[in-house]
Amino acid sequence: GAVVSQHPSWVICKSGTSVKIECRSLDFQATTMFWYRQFPKQSLMLMATSNEGSKATYEQGVEKDKFLINHASLTLSTLTVTSAHPEDSSFYICSAGQGRSYEQYFGPGTRLTVT
Amino acid sequence: GNSVTQMEGPVTLSEEAFLTINCTYTATGYPSLFWYVQYPGEGLQLLLKATKADDKGSNKGFEATYRKETTSFHLEKGSVQVSDSAVYFCALTRGAAGNKLTFGGGTRVLVKP
Repeated sequence: GAVVSQHPSWVICKSGTSVKIECRSLDFQATTMFWYRQFPKQSLMLMATSNEGSKATYEQGVEKDKFLINHASLTLSTLTVTSAHPEDSSFYICSAGQGRSYEQYFGPGTRLTVT
Repeated sequence: GNSVTQMEGPVTLSEEAFLTINCTYTATGYPSLFWYVQYPGEGLQLLLKATKADDKGSNKGFEATYRKETTSFHLEKGSVQVSDSAVYFCALTRGAAGNKLTFGGGTRVLVKP
């Protein structure tokens, strides 16, 4: 149980275009979803926290207009990187929390390359 | 605020060697502590956890004990295998649902045959 999927697993896009990444909890209802960014050989940086039906809470320094997060249902959250640039190339990882549990279940990640 | 410090890698060792990865934390109150593992090309997987002082988490031969007096949660394995080569992250969270995980910087472990 507690499986989280991400789609796509990797994507290449041209500079200036937008990319949407989906995060789904497959067998449980995720009241909270988190989006992280991971640079090569570095730790995870939390970008934002989203609760179903509410606006996402962004961490300091993360541009909310560039990284649009939607958590429209208890099983789906999306991250849209708008007007992507090469510096947005990274590994994006989502995780999901269930109910009152402190545990987070991680998706496999999406590698974004902007050319 | 909360923080997690873990030893820098890479850690290179031979198969069947003993592995220790140090992790210390700073947090108010009583955090829950976690070790996550990231295998090459994959996402993070929860390896083990401990939710209160003196708890020992264990999984796949790995162990870590929640030491409140030293604010530590060191990861150990008595005999590593090549398949244990991965990046290991120590993390903590506090409170109820929705609390953020605070990660350490990660330690890359390479096990050679």
